[in-house]
Amino acid sequence: AQSVSQHNHHVILSEAASLELGCNYSYGGTVNLFWYVQYPGQHLQLLLKYFSGDPLVKGIKGFEAEFIKSKFSFNLRKPSVQWSDTAEYFCAVKTSGTYKYIFGTGTRLKVLA
Amino acid sequence: DAGVIQSPRHEVTEMGQEVTLRCKPISGHDYLFWYRQTMMRGLELLIYFNNNVPIDDSGMPEDRFSAKMPNASFSTLKIQPSEPRDSAVYFCASTLDRAYSPLHFGNGTRLTVT
Repeated sequence: AQSVSQHNHHVILSEAASLELGCNYSYGGTVNLFWYVQYPGQHLQLLLKYFSGDPLVKGIKGFEAEFIKSKFSFNLRKPSVQWSDTAEYFCAVKTSGTYKYIFGTGTRLKVLA
Repeated sequence: DAGVIQSPRHEVTEMGQEVTLRCKPISGHDYLFWYRQTMMRGLELLIYFNNNVPIDDSGMPEDRFSAKMPNASFSTLKIQPSEPRDSAVYFCASTLDRAYSPLHFGNGTRLTVT
């Protein structure tokens, strides 16, 4: 069965620090990859998505993610975080040809002002 | 575009009672999903529908849970009887039947079973 692993459950950073959140998935076929963000008290919103082409994907608010097929990874990065980035971040995988989205357990990011 | 609409936002009930959660997907969306979010297990897919037909309900925890989609604009998730371990935030999401369409989530229903 497909699964998604996010190894960092809680991350605390100071403003302006660089961020990298790990995401690994288990599936040998073609996948579509997503990062969603959930701000406190709100619903999940799409940050960025990868379907094909350039493995370096840029999303909203300065976030980017790199798809490394050989490592089954899709890590999220941001060069300089802001206090407003405090949120929970979810990696998700959808097997190409289906609509079954599987989410990781999430990473809670706290940015200290 | 009103987004995915869920009701109620909060539900508090006693163990053994029936609970019904409601969802209105974005108009025109072909797929509807029910997820459950807990601290321990994160975001779990319970069931999803395509054109009102359940496609995969392998995530439904047990027979106490049931979901229906009587038409394209309405879905329900029912728990009967409810148990304290069902306490969670339940999200509904919808998407178009297009390869590059992402999921759009509702604001969720926070269920507390005492």
